[in-house]
Amino acid sequence: DAGVIQSPRHEVTEMGQEVTLRCKPISGHNSLFWYRQTMMRGLELLIYFNNNVPIDDSGMPEDRFSAKMPNASFSTLKIQPSEPRDSAVYFCASSFISGLRDEQFFGPGTRLTVL
Amino acid sequence: GQQVMQIPQYQHVQEGEDFTTYCNSSTTLSNIQWYKQRPGGHPVFLIQLVKSGEVKKQKRLTFQFGEAKKNSSLHITATQTTDVGTYFCAVALISSGNTPLVFGKGTRLSVIA
Repeated sequence: DAGVIQSPRHEVTEMGQEVTLRCKPISGHNSLFWYRQTMMRGLELLIYFNNNVPIDDSGMPEDRFSAKMPNASFSTLKIQPSEPRDSAVYFCASSFISGLRDEQFFGPGTRLTVL
Repeated sequence: GQQVMQIPQYQHVQEGEDFTTYCNSSTTLSNIQWYKQRPGGHPVFLIQLVKSGEVKKQKRLTFQFGEAKKNSSLHITATQTTDVGTYFCAVALISSGNTPLVFGKGTRLSVIA
């Protein structure tokens, strides 16, 4: 298995532009997580899906952020319009939550820079 | 507010010295996981602890879960330069409802050769 795949790996955009981050979870996993990592705030959970359904989006900063999971093998995180304070590394992670061992497998991340 | 505190924030050690990071919660934990993130990399799962007082070892790494299930520690014996990175604890809170894991801020370890 290739692991969790994220694209793009790097994104540089200007303030006000729309940004779409993509994630392909590990096949067979039933949960998907979007995180944001910055030096100041550490690793923050933005939203997570279970069986393609959004369960908790309380970490989504504001209405400019939206996430979808149209099927078990794909998810997107969209920022519209983007702002400089959105600059961070965005990780997608997937897991098979069974109640026994639910380790999360992280993708390589997307480094977003908003100018 | 912050539900899990991890200390220290930074640790610089000479190669060969031991290293310990601590994770503390005011809430009883269902379980705790530890992850390592190398510089420029992504978090990688190390271990999960579930039972009160549990101790697990992985080579030079020793993981411990407190008796009250409110704290945990990761101890590295005789650090090597390959141990460099940030170590995160991630906790599942019994009272957290639907949120599966809360990550600590991490402890960044530097090893001086």
